[in-house]
Amino acid sequence: DTEVTQTPKHLVMGMTNKKSLKCEQHMGHRAMYWYKQKAKKPPELMFVYSYEKLSINESVPSRFSPECPNSSLLNLHLHALQPEDSALYLCASSQEVWGREFTDTQYFGPGTRLTVL
Amino acid sequence: AQSVTQLGSHVSVSEGALVLLRCNYSSSVPPYLFWYVQYPNQGLQLLLKYTSAATLVKGINGFEAEFKKSETSFHLTKPSAHMSDAAEYFCAVRRRSRGSTLGRLYFGRGTQLTVWP
Repeated sequence: DTEVTQTPKHLVMGMTNKKSLKCEQHMGHRAMYWYKQKAKKPPELMFVYSYEKLSINESVPSRFSPECPNSSLLNLHLHALQPEDSALYLCASSQEVWGREFTDTQYFGPGTRLTVL
Repeated sequence: AQSVTQLGSHVSVSEGALVLLRCNYSSSVPPYLFWYVQYPNQGLQLLLKYTSAATLVKGINGFEAEFKKSETSFHLTKPSAHMSDAAEYFCAVRRRSRGSTLGRLYFGRGTQLTVWP
């Protein structure tokens, strides 16, 4: 099973709302990623968790708050977003076996389509 | 720094024709290269990856890519296009992130493949 699941599929929120995106994998992967993808553009890395610790934050605004409650779950908490934050948010995971970090495949979920009004 | 360049943001072919999507990398060390495909409103799916084991890499759905060090290229090909191949294709290189031991993906700009009947 190489599946990464994301909920919800679609989310519409106002600029004052608080919402969360959820990502789950049961492949035993120890690295999990959040990406943001605008239309006709490649995914942009936002955050990486490795062994449930935040390892990379690509200078993402604080209105995006990641959380990794356990090795299978990754959340992205959203608060006071702007219309320009509307995008497809992708989650991914990989094994991150020491010495194989560069060759391990990242498996992507289907994404959450976020619209901020 | 390692990066990838995808030549041609749009490629159109007739059904049954050869598909050639170009990717060049810039690197002074052997790169770890990936091709991903993204169908509309979906996440990214790995087509194939180069990890220095073999220069000709076969992937899913009849795609293959050849690593050519002399040309710093990793072009994606398929002998006969099918309508279902219409999608966005991303070439990516995996390298260490600044300030981290983790390997992360750096994507090219993407190539939209259109297949005409």
